[in-house]
Amino acid sequence: QVHLVESGGGVVQPGRSLRLSCAASGFTFWSFGMHWVRQAPGKGLEGVAVIWSDGSNEYYGDSVKGRFTISRDNSKNTLYLHMNSLRAEDTAVYYCARDGGPGYSGYGLDYWGQGTLVTVSS
Amino acid sequence: QSALTQPASVSGSPGQSITISCTGTSSDVGGYNYVSWYQQHSGKAPKLMIYDVSTRPSGVSNRFSGSKSGNTASLTISGLQAEDEADYYCSSYASSSTRVFGTGTKVTVL
Repeated sequence: QVHLVESGGGVVQPGRSLRLSCAASGFTFWSFGMHWVRQAPGKGLEGVAVIWSDGSNEYYGDSVKGRFTISRDNSKNTLYLHMNSLRAEDTAVYYCARDGGPGYSGYGLDYWGQGTLVTVSS
Repeated sequence: QSALTQPASVSGSPGQSITISCTGTSSDVGGYNYVSWYQQHSGKAPKLMIYDVSTRPSGVSNRFSGSKSGNTASLTISGLQAEDEADYYCSSYASSSTRVFGTGTKVTVL
């Protein structure tokens, strides 16, 4: 049974950093691309970052490029999102989601965690 | 990476069929057969309903169907039921990019 559990959210001041984690279980983690998708309060879904199954490539949404870094530790079945220079507009629920394939094609995101809330406020 | 365009809301009576459109560009929807649709109930995580334009994952009702023509994809829900009331998002693959999502459509069952 596939399970994705995010952690690391909380309240952080503007300009500070935060690291989110996503613990994966129930599947061969190293075979699948992984995504971070966020949803601001009352708003729609936004693709934040994607990393291929072997970690060889990663891509970012325009609004986080240069500030956020996605990474993975396939030995620990864990996905990360390092967030720097946080802004009020980064306030959102952050979901990790499994790609239906290795990440370099267009499969749907077939499993999602329950999300972790990040609030950027002074 | 502009969001795909969806109608803000669609409604229908139980048993009716409704269709949600999703309009992008030749760089996303029109360029690949990699359109997905997600259902999100209030306070819950999104759920994959359709991938590869028209393929249903195991366990998803056959009342849900997808199609695409040019730069516009569509999700049709037939035999509308109360449990279908939720927000729906389309998404498309785009080369060397994160997934592009639609603006979202609130489905109301009258």
